[in-house]
Amino acid sequence: GNSVTQMEGPVTLSEEAFLTINCTYTATGYPSLFWYVQYPGEGLQLLLKATKADDKGSNKGFEATYRKETTSFHLEKGSVQVSDSAVYFCALVSLNTGNQFYFGTGTSLTVIP
Amino acid sequence: EAQVTQNPRYLITVTGKKLTVTCSQNMNHEYMSWYRQDPGLGLRQIYYSMNVEVTDKGDVPEGYKVSRKEKRNFPLILESPSPNQTSLYFCASRDQGSYEQYFGPGTRLTVT
Repeated sequence: GNSVTQMEGPVTLSEEAFLTINCTYTATGYPSLFWYVQYPGEGLQLLLKATKADDKGSNKGFEATYRKETTSFHLEKGSVQVSDSAVYFCALVSLNTGNQFYFGTGTSLTVIP
Repeated sequence: EAQVTQNPRYLITVTGKKLTVTCSQNMNHEYMSWYRQDPGLGLRQIYYSMNVEVTDKGDVPEGYKVSRKEKRNFPLILESPSPNQTSLYFCASRDQGSYEQYFGPGTRLTVT
């Protein structure tokens, strides 16, 4: 079956620190992978995506590389800001289950000045 | 403005009293979906619809119904709500040719 596992939070970092949020997946077929972000009181927004192995998704200084050999899609940012405080969700959709998304449990990030 | 709207945003109700949460999108998307978000469990898909009159169960469909009579609307129906359906609910839509989902602002439901 399909599933996503991401590191538990909460994560608290100082401004300008390096961020890594780990995400690993199990999937049948060839999944597309996503990171979504949820700001307080809002719905989820797509942050970045990768649709095949070795693709790197990037947006707003965040990056994640689709690693088929380790079934991972870790989220990184070199220098976080207070405005990055949010909950981050890793997700996948597989061609074998093309209309069903699978989300991780979410990782809460708080960045302090 | 392209958006997904949900109503109501907050709802407190009692066990057994039927309720409907509406969802509407103005992007002409074929695909719509309902999720519930619970602490420690992330988002779990309840139902999805690939087009008008086409609906399918997600991971946690028990206790919920949906209908898709029009492309823009996808209401979530709880015929007899129970306390374990207390949750934060999100509607989402996407174009069939894309995997980018657009989420509504959420509906916080409390069943007492």
